[in-house]
Amino acid sequence: EAGVTQFPSHSVIEKGQTVTLRCDPISGHDNLYWYRRVMGKEIKFLLHFVKESKQDESGMPNNRFLAERTGGTYSTLKVQPAELEDSGVYFCASSQSQVNEKLFFGSGTQLSVL
Amino acid sequence: GQNIDQPTEMTATEGAIVQINCTYQTSGFNGLFWYQQHAGEAPTFLSYNVLDGLEEKGRFSSFLSRSKGYSYLLLKELQMKDSASYLCASPTGANNLFFGTGTRLTVIP
Repeated sequence: EAGVTQFPSHSVIEKGQTVTLRCDPISGHDNLYWYRRVMGKEIKFLLHFVKESKQDESGMPNNRFLAERTGGTYSTLKVQPAELEDSGVYFCASSQSQVNEKLFFGSGTQLSVL
Repeated sequence: GQNIDQPTEMTATEGAIVQINCTYQTSGFNGLFWYQQHAGEAPTFLSYNVLDGLEEKGRFSSFLSRSKGYSYLLLKELQMKDSASYLCASPTGANNLFFGTGTRLTVIP
C-alpha cells in the first residue's frame, strides 16, 4: 500500500513568487493534515481537512497560504506571494479516524525562499 | 495552552540503553505519542500511551505518568540505525498534534 506522498521534495523560489505543494494521502483516509517545521523549531499544525471540508485552519500563518482538497482526495497548499519566513519543511499527514489515531506522514517538501 | 519539553540532543553507545524524557502541560489530556524521524524522511509512529505505565514493543518501550505530566521513550540494545530525532507529541482538543522540538539521538560505535 502506498504511503503519503508529497511533491515536490524540494523547492527553491525567490521572494514574491508562488509555490504549490501537493499531498496525496493514503487511499481511504478522510483526514488530511498539513504541518510545517521551520528551522530549529517544532513541527506546527497548519490545517486539517475531513474529506473536502476544512475542519480546522487555525494554524495557517496568514492569507498568503491557501489549501484546497477538491474531491476529498489529494490536497494542495499554495503560498502566494512567498516570503523569506515561509522557508521550512512542509509535512502532510493522513489518518482514517479523527479520534487520537496515529498519523501517517509524508517525507515533506523542503521549501527555500531566497 | 500546551507545552512540551524534551532534551535537544543525546548521544549513546551502540548496544546500550537510552531513555528520552518528555514533560508536557496540556489543557486537556488525550494521550501522548512518540514518533521517530530519520533525517529527510517522514516521521513514523512509535507509540501511543493514554494510560499510566509502561508499554513495551520490542526494543522500544514508552512510559506515561499522567499525574506527573511525564513520559519517556526507552530504547534498548541500541543500533546505529536508531540515530534519528524522536518527537514527543500530544493531541489537542481539536484533533491535531502538538509537537515538542524533538530529541536528536546519535548512536556511536
